[in-house]
This record gives sequence, structure tokens and C-alpha cells, in this order.
Amino acid sequence: SQQGEEDPQALSIQEGENATMNCSYKTSINNLQWYRQNSGRGLVHLILIRSNEREKHSGRLRVTLDTSKKSSSLLITASRAADTASYFCQPGANSKLTFGKGITLSVRP
Amino acid sequence: DAGVIQSPRHEVTEMGQEVTLRCKPISGHDYLFWYRQTMMRGLELLIYFNNNVPIDDSGMPEDRFSAKMPNASFSTLKIQPSEPRDSAVYFCASSFGGSGANVLTFGAGSRLTVL
Repeated sequence: SQQGEEDPQALSIQEGENATMNCSYKTSINNLQWYRQNSGRGLVHLILIRSNEREKHSGRLRVTLDTSKKSSSLLITASRAADTASYFCQPGANSKLTFGKGITLSVRP
Repeated sequence: DAGVIQSPRHEVTEMGQEVTLRCKPISGHDYLFWYRQTMMRGLELLIYFNNNVPIDDSGMPEDRFSAKMPNASFSTLKIQPSEPRDSAVYFCASSFGGSGANVLTFGAGSRLTVL
């Protein structure tokens, strides 16, 4: 298994701004997923991008994947206070799913 | 489906006591995962099952921890005896399929405090 390394560890932005979060990993993957965790809750799946895809959109979320650089980014456009949460990437190569430290995003009203 | 159901939501116990955490996965899911989350160590994978069989328990911290999945709709994580350093939020998650493409659905977690 492998876990992603998210960057930055913490991000604070103003409501309406865009938030960009990055993830790096070490070995080949089949896909990569992003999850969100609101304070005191379980993780919630946001989006999955397969290794043969370069970009994927879902509402205000845009995910990119660069397998040559072993990296992914999650962009949240027009952020809202409700986007305040921790975000985790999960590089998937097999069924053993582990997580890194995550990114704490604070969106100021 | 009601999602992944964990119980209890909160547990406060004294050092040395036995703790049992319970999980009901989503019907039809064939993978079940137990995680532990603390500020210091983040989200750690303890053990996971496929079709009720433990596949990897390398994350179980020590012999005081044990997990079972007697059937497809129920799993337990037991700590005996409990210690203050076991205080954490324990999450159960389930998914369908493997190969890294399995999307996890998490329960609400069980917050354990060991005094």
C-alpha cells in the first residue's frame, strides 16, 4: 500500500477564493481518490481519477493527475465557509487503503 | 441503506477495562476497514477484511487489540485491557471491490476515552 503526502499541511483563504491542494505519491497507481473530513465526522469521498485520466471535474472541484510526476492536485473554486475541512488524497494500487496527514483548509467568511 | 453504522458513538472507560467497538457495514460491500485517528498519528489503518476474512492486520498496535468479522454484516474491534494511549476516534469503513478503486464509506466513528 502507499499513502499520499499532502501539501500544504494547512491552508487559510477568504471565501470566494480558490483553494489548491497537492498530493504526491511514490509508486505506480491504478487511480487516486480525494476525501474530505469535517470536524468530528468520518471521511467522505469526493472524487476518483483513474491513472489514464489527466483531469476530472465535479461541481466546483477539479482534480488533475500527472502520473509522470506522481502527483495530483485538487482545486476548489469559489470556496465557501462550508468547505472548511480536512482533505486527504488516497493513491490506489491495491485494496490496502491508507491515508496521509491531510490538509486542513480554513475558509474565512 | 443507512450507511455504515458504528456503536457506541462515545465510550469513556477506565484503564484496564475491556472495550468493544461495533460496526455494521453497508449491505453488499465486501471490504471492511478499521482505522484509528489521533492528532499525533493521523488516520491509521488497523486491519481490513475481504469477504469476512482478515487480509492485513499489520496496523494492529499490539496483542491487546483484536478484530473479528463473524459475518458480512457485523464486525467488532476489541481492546483488552485498555490503556490511556488507546484514546482516539475509531472509524469503520466499508467498500465494494478492490484494486485500489474501492470507494470507502465511513461510519461516524466511535470516540474512545480511556482514563
